[in-house]
Amino acid sequence: AQSVTQLDSQVPVFEEAPVELRCNYSSSVSVYLFWYVQYPNQGLQLLLKYLSGSTLVKGINGFEAEFNKSQTSFHLRKPSVHISDTAEYFCAATQGGSEKLVFGKGTKLTVNP
Amino acid sequence: GAVVSQHPSRVICKSGTSVKIECRSLDFQATTMFWYRQFPKKSLMLMATSNEGSKATYEQGVEKDKFLINHASLTLSTLTVTSAHPEDSSFYICSARVGRGYNEQFFGPGTRLTVL
Repeated sequence: AQSVTQLDSQVPVFEEAPVELRCNYSSSVSVYLFWYVQYPNQGLQLLLKYLSGSTLVKGINGFEAEFNKSQTSFHLRKPSVHISDTAEYFCAATQGGSEKLVFGKGTKLTVNP
Repeated sequence: GAVVSQHPSRVICKSGTSVKIECRSLDFQATTMFWYRQFPKKSLMLMATSNEGSKATYEQGVEKDKFLINHASLTLSTLTVTSAHPEDSSFYICSARVGRGYNEQFFGPGTRLTVL
């Protein structure tokens, strides 16, 4: 069964600094990968997704992620963060076309002035 | 984007009582709705998948008689926690999707349940 690991539970950064949130998954067989963001007291919002094709995926709010099959990773990056990016970020995966999402534990990104 | 609401956002109840949580898709018809449970500092865990007009499919380890799910219409699914106990206290999140196979899930804001 697919599993998703987010190694960093908390990532503090300063405003305008680059950030990388790490995500590793267990199986590359027919895997679809996603990053969601959850702002306080709100639902999860899709940032970006990888289904097939180009391994570099661009999403909303200036975020991007790269699918790396050999390292079974799907790290999320942003070259310059804003205070408003402070939120919880979840990596998720499905496998084999399954409709079921498997989530990582989440990474809390805190952007400080 | 598509909007999913949940009601109530927070609920506190006494042990032994039942609590109903509603999940609505406000501007689209949801063929499938999902119910998740989120523990503190842990990931979202899928509890069940419900398709409109049919019985929900529960994940292994989830008691279907305790967590009753009804998906009576294309815009409404309900989760009823029956005879709630303190260990049922958690954050419950629903999501809704159009169509089958892979399509984007739209998430509700969640419901914080506290059982005293």
